[in-house]
Amino acid sequence: EVQLVESGGGLVQPGGSLRLSCAASGFTFSSHYMHWVRQAPGKGLVWVSRINGDGSATSYADSVKGRFTISRDNAKNTLYLQMNSLRAEDTAVYYCARGMGITTVYTDYWGQGTLVTVSS
Amino acid sequence: QSALTQPRSVSGSPGQSVTISCTGTSSDVGGYNYVSWYQQHPGKAPKLMIYGVSERPSGVPDRFSGSKSGNTASLTISGLQAEDEADYYCCSYAGTYILVFGGGTKLTVL
Repeated sequence: EVQLVESGGGLVQPGGSLRLSCAASGFTFSSHYMHWVRQAPGKGLVWVSRINGDGSATSYADSVKGRFTISRDNAKNTLYLQMNSLRAEDTAVYYCARGMGITTVYTDYWGQGTLVTVSS
Repeated sequence: QSALTQPRSVSGSPGQSVTISCTGTSSDVGGYNYVSWYQQHPGKAPKLMIYGVSERPSGVPDRFSGSKSGNTASLTISGLQAEDEADYYCCSYAGTYILVFGGGTKLTVL
């Protein structure tokens, strides 16, 4: 059974940093693109970032480019999102999601999310 | 990277059909056949319902169908059931390995 479990969320002050993790199990982690998607309270889904299977290619939404870094450790079956220079508008539930098949454009399994709150 | 445009809400009675639109531009929806749709119940993670404009993943009822014309994609749910009440999001590839979601549509089953 495919499982994705996010962790690392919490309360952080504006300008601070946080690293999210997503522990994956039930599939060959290194064979799939992985994504981060966020959802502000009461708002819609917003794609944040994606990474390819071996970690050599990444892409980001303009809103986080230069502040967030996606990475993965295939030996640990874990996806990461390093978030720096956090702003109030980064407050959201952050989901990790598995890329479907060999594609980078669809996601077929999602974790339950971890809440990040940026506030003083 | 502007969000795709969806109606904020739609509604229908059990057994009826509803269609949710998703309007983008030639740089996203209109430029690629990489449109997907997600269903999200309150407090739950999104679930993939449609990919590749009109393909259904295994386990998704054939009451759910997708289509696209020009810069607008559509999700149609026929034979509405109470459990279909949820938020629905479209998503499109927008080039240079970027994805963009729609703002979401709340479906109410009357």
